[in-house]
Amino acid sequence: AQSVTQPDIHITVSEGASLELRCNYSYGATPYLFWYVQSPGQGLQLLLKYFSGDTLVQGIKGFEAEFKRSQSSFNLRKPSVHWSDAAEYFCAVGDDDYKLSFGAGTTVTVRA
Amino acid sequence: DAEITQSPRHKITETGRQVTLACHQTWNHNNMFWYRQDLGHGLRLIHYSYGVQDTNKGEVSDGYSVSRSNTEDLPLTLESAASSQTSVYFCASSVQRTTDTQYFGPGTRLTVL
Repeated sequence: AQSVTQPDIHITVSEGASLELRCNYSYGATPYLFWYVQSPGQGLQLLLKYFSGDTLVQGIKGFEAEFKRSQSSFNLRKPSVHWSDAAEYFCAVGDDDYKLSFGAGTTVTVRA
Repeated sequence: DAEITQSPRHKITETGRQVTLACHQTWNHNNMFWYRQDLGHGLRLIHYSYGVQDTNKGEVSDGYSVSRSNTEDLPLTLESAASSQTSVYFCASSVQRTTDTQYFGPGTRLTVL
């Protein structure tokens, strides 16, 4: 069965600074990888996804992620964070039966 | 615009009561999913459906049931609510393919006293 590890429970970053959120997955076949964001009191919104092709994926809100098969990683990055990026971020891996397995999430706090 | 809705948004119930959470999507998606979100666990899959009359158990299905009588709806029933089922519940849907995005509803916060 697939699984996802997000090593960082909480990250604090200054507005304008860069952000990187780590994600490691375990899956026997070619992984389908996703990053979702959840603002307080809201549902989850897809930031980006990877299933084939270019290993650097661009998403919404200025986010990008890089798939590294050798490291079983799919880290999320943003060059310059805005206060509105404060949220919880979830990495997920999808299997061939359309199901997703989520990591525990990383909470991002943005300080002025 | 097409959307996915959940009702109620907040519910308080008592131990032992039967509770049903509604999920309705207007995208005509085949796949529908129910998750629960708990601190430190992320989202865990409860039940899912690939189409009308199809239902399947997820990793945390004990104490929950679903039925799919049409494409738009997948209600989640807690047969006899327990305090351990206090959580935030999310419904999601996707078209068909593995790579398709799952779209999430706004969530239902359930408290079992």
